[in-house]
Amino acid sequence: GIQVEQSPPDLILQEGANSTLRCNFSDSVNNLQWFHQNPWGQLINLFYIPSGTKQNGRLSATTVATERYSLLYISSSQTTDSGVYFCAVSPWGNQFYFGTGTSLTVIP
Amino acid sequence: NAGVMQNPRHLVRRRGQEARLRCSPMKGHSHVYWYRQLPEEGLKFMVYLQKENIIDESGMPKERFSAEFPKEGPSILRIQQVVRGDSAAYFCASSPSGYEQYFGPGTRLTVT
Repeated sequence: GIQVEQSPPDLILQEGANSTLRCNFSDSVNNLQWFHQNPWGQLINLFYIPSGTKQNGRLSATTVATERYSLLYISSSQTTDSGVYFCAVSPWGNQFYFGTGTSLTVIP
Repeated sequence: NAGVMQNPRHLVRRRGQEARLRCSPMKGHSHVYWYRQLPEEGLKFMVYLQKENIIDESGMPKERFSAEFPKEGPSILRIQQVVRGDSAAYFCASSPSGYEQYFGPGTRLTVT
């Protein structure tokens, strides 16, 4: 299966700081999603972004499919951004391969 | 449009009992996926179903686990004779097209 590596594994930010999370994957993919798993365990869709750039409020994401990586940008972080951020990829419309996540803690 | 629904949200079973987890996909979604998340780990794919068909079960243990998505009603993940190692969070996702997936809140299974 496809290997998905996320970095950094852990991140602690002061409220208001910006950050960049990275996702590298080992093979060509047709699907890529970013999720936020909140402290209650719920998975929230952030972006469906197999290629290109998208923005949603303080969050934006870029996927460069030819170079097999995606970036998630968080600006002006808030304590509610805390949780684990997962990147998931799929070569076709079947299973997603998940990375091991970036655990983000935003401190006030 | 209601999101993906899973029930129960928490399930406690003794070793040897059966666990049945239910997933109702979003309206209009005919693709259903089940994933398992062990503590401190990412999600691992188990099975992919469309109505009345199992498309890919490559991530499902060969014994004790089964899944179905009948013509009517929710998708069911069934675990027979549960063991402590089955304790995990089980997530269901649905998709309208087999691409973007929407996840339910998960079922936390605890085996005592």
